[in-house]
Amino acid sequence: EAQVTQNPRYLITVTGKKLTVTCSQNMNHEYMSWYRQDPGLGLRQIYYSMNVEVTDKGDVPEGYKVSRKEKRNFPLILESPSPNQTSLYFCASNPWGQGGNEQFFGPGTRLTVL
Amino acid sequence: GNSVTQMEGPVTLSEEAFLTINCTYTATGYPSLFWYVQYPGEGLQLLLKATKADDKGSNKGFEATYRKETTSFHLEKGSVQVSDSAVYFCALRSGSARQLTFGSGTQLTVLP
Repeated sequence: EAQVTQNPRYLITVTGKKLTVTCSQNMNHEYMSWYRQDPGLGLRQIYYSMNVEVTDKGDVPEGYKVSRKEKRNFPLILESPSPNQTSLYFCASNPWGQGGNEQFFGPGTRLTVL
Repeated sequence: GNSVTQMEGPVTLSEEAFLTINCTYTATGYPSLFWYVQYPGEGLQLLLKATKADDKGSNKGFEATYRKETTSFHLEKGSVQVSDSAVYFCALRSGSARQLTFGSGTQLTVLP
């Protein structure tokens, strides 16, 4: 089954404790990205990657890191989480090509930083 | 830059009512337009899309027409069901960009 998976689905942590949210897709997509969803703000892109070893900042990259060592994986790293990073996070992927391609989303990771 | 403006929610309707969720956009070039739906506790799923002016996207009884002259992509359904209760997001992708720009989302609740 074609899908994007994320782990963990739920995470409660404390300020300053490094964490990683994993994302994996099995569709051989070149493009992957991370979004955060906050009430009234919709989804905002954090980082994206156009292919292996190619990453770039989205609209709200501060406080986050990513890596793309393999095509299928795109982990999101919070080196020193803060309460304002409490949010719902989505990973997404889509194939390279025309702009009308559908973007496939993971199920989301709900992060709470105390 | 690109932006998407959606009508604010929440929207509450009775079953079988007519639904319209307004969406307007600002974009460079000729964007592709999308409606995504998020059911409770789930990720976003593509509902429908349109890639050029005057195209109509449709799926599951929902439809939206790409109106370049009014820069709009309003979502409509003639008769909503309780199972349509979800958050609906309008989005665009402009030109060669791979990034989707989302509206703020509209919460729809359909009562039996």
